[in-house]
Amino acid sequence: NSKVIQTPRYLVKGQGQKAKMRCIPEKGHPVVFWYQQNKNNEFKFLINFQNQEVLQQIDMTEKRFSAECPSNSPCSLEIQSSEAGDSALYLCASSLWGGNTEVFFGKGTRLTVV
Amino acid sequence: AQSVTQPDARVTVSEGASLQLRCKYSYSGTPYLFWYVQYPRQGLQLLLKYYSGDPVVQGVNGFEAEFIKSNSSFHLRKASVHWSDSAVYFCAVSAPSNTNKVVFGTGTRLQVLP
Repeated sequence: NSKVIQTPRYLVKGQGQKAKMRCIPEKGHPVVFWYQQNKNNEFKFLINFQNQEVLQQIDMTEKRFSAECPSNSPCSLEIQSSEAGDSALYLCASSLWGGNTEVFFGKGTRLTVV
Repeated sequence: AQSVTQPDARVTVSEGASLQLRCKYSYSGTPYLFWYVQYPRQGLQLLLKYYSGDPVVQGVNGFEAEFIKSNSSFHLRKASVHWSDSAVYFCAVSAPSNTNKVVFGTGTRLQVLP
């Protein structure tokens, strides 16, 4: 069973508000991913880290989204100014060496922007 | 870039029947292939993975998948489904040259009728 912990499970924000969600990866996992899963079950890769350093991120993430994985603290994903289109399930995942080994997912944070 | 197609958005079968969920990928070489399952209000759980070797891979709970390179397919099978198998199943792929990014299909929602 996955031990990736995501909080909060549900988040409701008004348009323009900040939305912040946290993730504690499995102990000992250096690689952390964030994905956005929309209502059509489409996954969008947002960003990944290895030991606090950003490996890859998409352009969208660079504008309104920010993420970090500080040492000895939970990872976080923050949307500076939420938009209706940001409503989705945000999944955090971690793994030992990247996507070719098992990636363990948390239960997600469901963001609703009203 | 790699991509995944799951052509069946929904599949309904009766309990005890056999199952095949289809997955086709696009990648110039041999990718890493995965099947994940998502139960309601749960994170994604890995069912099985393929990197190399025997093209038929066994997973958890009686699931198996067959890698057919000539057809770019990685279909998931189960000989006899149980009502508890009702969930959404995702096929995923990552490129050996970029294993830190996993690309998901849009999923197949399986309903098992009692």
